[in-house]
Amino acid sequence: GAGVSQSPRYKVAKRGQDVALRCDPISGHVSLFWYQQALGQGPEFLTYFQNEAQLDKSGLPSDRFFAERPEGSVSTLKIQRTQQEDSAVYLCASSFIWRGEYEQYFGPGTRLTVT
Amino acid sequence: DAKTTQPTSMDCAEGRAANLPCNHSTISGNEYVYWYRQIHSQGPQYIIHGLKNNETNEMASLIITEDRKSSTLILPHATLRDTAVYYCIHIYNQGGKLIFGQGTELSVKP
Repeated sequence: GAGVSQSPRYKVAKRGQDVALRCDPISGHVSLFWYQQALGQGPEFLTYFQNEAQLDKSGLPSDRFFAERPEGSVSTLKIQRTQQEDSAVYLCASSFIWRGEYEQYFGPGTRLTVT
Repeated sequence: DAKTTQPTSMDCAEGRAANLPCNHSTISGNEYVYWYRQIHSQGPQYIIHGLKNNETNEMASLIITEDRKSSTLILPHATLRDTAVYYCIHIYNQGGKLIFGQGTELSVKP
């Protein structure tokens, strides 16, 4: 079946520009996570949704980062006024959580380069 | 935050078993051990998880020590496609966020 998809796969932004990254989770998956992965590091948690409710946004590094999932399926991570330190791979993951199925399925990520 | 300790890198010959250790001495009684791996330029992939008992699936086996302070992921017959970074994570809330460490970079060589 279809996995988690993310778009765009690559994004180059000039410093100060706003960007929007899209995540299409696996159909029926309740939970959706965003992670940020700097080069050579493990992924770091950004935020978590259960259906349309954003239950944890403790990992968002600044108020320039904003995420939404208005209908409980597709999610968008928006970064305003991008800075060079925002350059990273942004990973989206979804999980079913019912019937004990907690494993997270990850998309391929969006590589953001801020110049 | 939950913290695990893994070797930075390991090599394994193709066709041999790969044994990846993980120390999680701060694990509490209700925390699960999860393993994910990340092949280059891809998102992480779930491998296996366990609480107290050893577990096996089509990908790997997980051996958890009796005191639960460490575990070993076993890939019984490693192939070149198993070259990846392997992450060991312990988590209380199975439905919650994952806290990744640095992982072990496994290189399977012909």
